[in-house]
Amino acid sequence: AQRVTQPEKLLSVFKGAPVELKCNYSYSGSPELFWYVQYSRQRLQLLLRHISRESIKGFTADLNKGETSFHLKKPFAQEEDSAMYYCALSEDSNYQLIWGAGTKLIIKP
Amino acid sequence: SQTIHQWPATLVQPVGSPLSLECTVEGTSNPNLYWYRQAAGRGLQLLFYSVGIGQISSEVPQNLSASRPQDRQFILSSKKLLLSDSGFYLCAWTAKETQYFGPGTRLLVL
Repeated sequence: AQRVTQPEKLLSVFKGAPVELKCNYSYSGSPELFWYVQYSRQRLQLLLRHISRESIKGFTADLNKGETSFHLKKPFAQEEDSAMYYCALSEDSNYQLIWGAGTKLIIKP
Repeated sequence: SQTIHQWPATLVQPVGSPLSLECTVEGTSNPNLYWYRQAAGRGLQLLFYSVGIGQISSEVPQNLSASRPQDRQFILSSKKLLLSDSGFYLCAWTAKETQYFGPGTRLLVL
């Protein structure tokens, strides 16, 4: 069955340190993967998608089909990166998303 | 530009009372619409989705129902709320693969 796993419920790092939020998936087809972010008191919003191959707010994510992973990375964390991060996989033509449980990222000053 | 609205923002209801949460979308036509429940540590649970007026698909059988009386209106309802219905409810619509979320409704059932 299709599944998205975010193994860390909480990740805490110091400002300036590298950040990696893990996401693993299981899917039989060709996946489309996304990272969504929810800052405090803001709406859940798209951060980036793997097909765009872009860097948003210093974050990047590479789809590794061999390891079935889509980890989110940033070389130097900033305090404003503190938020809830969700990894999601697009399932079918109705654009339903399969969601991970989310990782709360806390950046300590 | 497209906008999605949800109301109310917060709701406190007694057990056994009815529920109606409304979601409307502006600036697009015939969107796919979604209702989610967001729970701490459990991510987003898809409750219902709709690909058109009157077309509702339920993902999880429970005490809730959904309706889409108009193209850009999506309603989440219950006839009798349970304590377990408490949570944060999100409405979303889709533009291609990207989902856009409303501000959410925090429901507390007492």
